[in-house]
Amino acid sequence: AQKITQTQPGMFVQEKEAVTLDCTYDTSDQSYGLFWYKQPSSGEMIFLIYQGSYDEQNATEGRYSLNFQKARKSANLVISASQLGDSAMYFCAMISRPSGSARQLTFGSGTQLTVLP
Amino acid sequence: DTEVTQTPKHLVMGMTNKKSLKCEQHMGHRAMYWYKQKAKKPPELMFVYSYEKLSINESVPSRFSPECPNSSLLNLHLHALQPEDSALYLCASSNPGEGAYEQYFGPGTRLTVT
Repeated sequence: AQKITQTQPGMFVQEKEAVTLDCTYDTSDQSYGLFWYKQPSSGEMIFLIYQGSYDEQNATEGRYSLNFQKARKSANLVISASQLGDSAMYFCAMISRPSGSARQLTFGSGTQLTVLP
Repeated sequence: DTEVTQTPKHLVMGMTNKKSLKCEQHMGHRAMYWYKQKAKKPPELMFVYSYEKLSINESVPSRFSPECPNSSLLNLHLHALQPEDSALYLCASSNPGEGAYEQYFGPGTRLTVT
């Protein structure tokens, strides 16, 4: 079974500073994918970044980067130059074993990030 | 276009009502999902449709009935709900298959059962 652990229920960061959100995972699969989603108070889940288990380079998307340490089974999200609009709930998720031809996401419990002016 | 739309945005219904939630995507995705999300919790998977066929039902009570009329549309029919069913209902779509394709989510429907 797959499991995602996010140990920081809440985080605070000063505007313009960088912040790291922690995510560890457990899986017996050799091939898997890790995602980060942002959910503002409006409710929409916004896809931020993806890392494949065989990708040698850490994924980056603009101000978001994923610090992937396979041996430690961690996939931390780094947000550089935080903005007030980054205040939201952040979920780490993993693609689990396929069932038929559809893939399932396993979510962590989430980290509520608050950016302070 | 990476948009998944959901209607209505908000829904208030009594326990004896019948209502439906609608989800639509035009990205050519062949897998569509319903999730239920309580406040401050991660989404919980309810149903998965792959190529318009129900492939996963996560032991959801029969008062929730999904329907996939075509590859772009996904409905969730609601009947005789309980107050504990009040939640945010999220729809998502993705490409099925062996690739780890991201799921694109809609804005959700906030359901209140009175």
